[in-house]
Amino acid sequence: DAGVIQSPRHEVTEMGQEVTLRCKPISGHDYLFWYRQTMMRGLELLIYFNNNVPIDDSGMPEDRFSAKMPNASFSTLKIQPSEPRDSAVYFCASSFGSALQGYTDTQYFGPGTRLTVL
Amino acid sequence: AQKITQTQPGMFVQEKEAVTLDCTYDTSDQSYGLFWYKQPSSGEMIFLIYQGSYDEQNATEGRYSLNFQKARKSANLVISASQLGDSAMYFCAMREGPPNDYKLSFGAGTTVTVRA
Repeated sequence: DAGVIQSPRHEVTEMGQEVTLRCKPISGHDYLFWYRQTMMRGLELLIYFNNNVPIDDSGMPEDRFSAKMPNASFSTLKIQPSEPRDSAVYFCASSFGSALQGYTDTQYFGPGTRLTVL
Repeated sequence: AQKITQTQPGMFVQEKEAVTLDCTYDTSDQSYGLFWYKQPSSGEMIFLIYQGSYDEQNATEGRYSLNFQKARKSANLVISASQLGDSAMYFCAMREGPPNDYKLSFGAGTTVTVRA
């Protein structure tokens, strides 16, 4: 089975440019998560969706960040305008069910997108 | 306060030996889950093992086992018979109960280097 797919794997852009990161979750998974990993802050949850609906975006750092999930098999994370401090690895993860329903709700991560903003 | 504490920033282990990675957690919830992930130098996050707070048996997955001591709030990962491919960063994570029941809190990670 295909895992979580992210594109691009690497992105280098200049400050002020718009950046769009893409994610395809594992088929059948109903939760999708966006994380950011930096040396200083470790892994941070930015936003997560349940059945394509954003549930908690309290981790989104600023209004420059936005995320959408137009359907069950696709999500985007957009940064506009990008800044050098946005340089990080961005992970998408997906899971099925919830612990309340008796599932282990393990999150499976994509390979990540390494973003460099010059 | 830190929800997940990994006190070992880095460890060296000889090939074929066992290694234990420490993880302590902080929660007042009765229902929670504990996870371990591996991040090799290539960068991906690989799920290794899961332990539920109500599970009475320690979780095992191949060469990975989780030493779960609920009263001490510890969830140490044991890797048996280390291989060179085990060299990576290892993260302990916790999922608590509602209303934060979908959020994973990660520790800072432990770097493991396996020596031949």
